Amino acid sequence: QSVLTQPPSVSGAPGQRVTISCTGSSSNIGAPHAVHWYQQLPGTAPKLLIHGNTNRPSGVPDRFSGSKSGTSASLAITGLQAEDDADYYCQSYDSSLSGWVFGGGTKLTVL
Amino acid sequence: QVHLVESGGGVVQPGRSLRLSCAASGFTFTDYALHWVRQAPGKGLEWLAFISYDAVRQQYADSVKGRFIISRDSSRNTLYLQMSSLRVEDTAVYYCTREDPLGGSYAFGYWGQGTLVIVSS
Repeated sequence: QSVLTQPPSVSGAPGQRVTISCTGSSSNIGAPHAVHWYQQLPGTAPKLLIHGNTNRPSGVPDRFSGSKSGTSASLAITGLQAEDDADYYCQSYDSSLSGWVFGGGTKLTVL
Repeated sequence: QVHLVESGGGVVQPGRSLRLSCAASGFTFTDYALHWVRQAPGKGLEWLAFISYDAVRQQYADSVKGRFIISRDSSRNTLYLQMSSLRVEDTAVYYCTREDPLGGSYAFGYWGQGTLVIVSS
């Protein structure tokens, strides 16, 4: 059971918009500690997608955006493309655990 | 260009020990904190251990506390994870990752390719 809760799977057709939620608590997202998002393509290492709740590293398309409110965060992907088919993880820090925590991951399927 | 290259994985029996290494290049090693993260087959990411840029502070996940030790050698630009009393459930791909200060927060900005550890009799 992950400290941060994500839906196991989401799907969408090319060109559509999908969102992935990440629900935490007052000791992590709500503390407030920053939320980061990672994309993991099949068979590869994770890659930083969004940092500090809403910021995209250079090279990440603006189709990807992050938001945060209270004890939850969301990743939105617009204009879905086939190459977005991957696993997505949210991550934060938990003050009660004194450690870094990940969501359980969400498998995005582009139909 | 930042590179993190893990090594040392393999097949090991339950109860035995193994040491993983992560060779870093392309950046000033002593400027960054580093972490180990693992991923069991078909499962999600699990944070394991943190070491500060100067090796003064370490933190561990409860799942490995007392069994794993994180360390770093600035003369070799290498991060280590000494794993002991290994269990079947420690089977995973182990990643080293660099903690990057980004706009007021810290994220795992760079990752190695991972090294696979299989604990099996």
